[in-house]
Amino acid sequence: AQSVTQLGSHVSVSEGALVLLRCNYSSSVPPYLFWYVQYPNQGLQLLLKYTSAATLVKGINGFEAEFKKSETSFHLTKPSAHMSDAAEYFCAVSEGNNDMRFGAGTRLTVKP
Amino acid sequence: EPEVTQTPSHQVTQMGQEVILRCVPISNHLYFYWYRQILGQKVEFLVSFYNNEISEKSEIFDDQFSVERPDGSNFTLKIRSTKLEDSAMYFCASSDRRAGGYTFGSGTRLTVV
Repeated sequence: AQSVTQLGSHVSVSEGALVLLRCNYSSSVPPYLFWYVQYPNQGLQLLLKYTSAATLVKGINGFEAEFKKSETSFHLTKPSAHMSDAAEYFCAVSEGNNDMRFGAGTRLTVKP
Repeated sequence: EPEVTQTPSHQVTQMGQEVILRCVPISNHLYFYWYRQILGQKVEFLVSFYNNEISEKSEIFDDQFSVERPDGSNFTLKIRSTKLEDSAMYFCASSDRRAGGYTFGSGTRLTVV
């Protein structure tokens, strides 16, 4: 069954610094991969998704992620953090007809 | 932009009572899901629903849980006899196809006392 592992339950960066949130997946077939963001007391918002097209996926709010099959990774990056990026970020994986499974989440803190 | 709507946003219920959480998926979507998130923990899959039947369910989704699409627009999750450990945020989601990314509702926070 598919699964994702998010390395680091908490990441803290300074405003303007690079954001890197790590996600590794396990899948028996080519996966679909997703990043969701959850702001405090809100629902899950799709940031971006990989569905076997381009390996570098651009999402909303300046985020992007690169699918690397050799590393089974789908890390999320943003060149310059903004205070408004502080949130919980979830990586998720789906295998074709199987349903989506989420990682444990990474809480991003942005320091002024 | 189309939204998934969940009601109520908050529900407090006594242990042992039945609760029904309601969701209105996006109108042209065919796949429907319930997930839950216990406070501070990961988002957990409960059940998926397609063509008026459950297509997959997790070990969490035991006999106390049921889902229904009663009228072609609503998608409900029923918990027959709530337990304290059912306290969580419950998210409904819908999709126009499997593995294409889901649209989530803003959730219902269920508190069992």
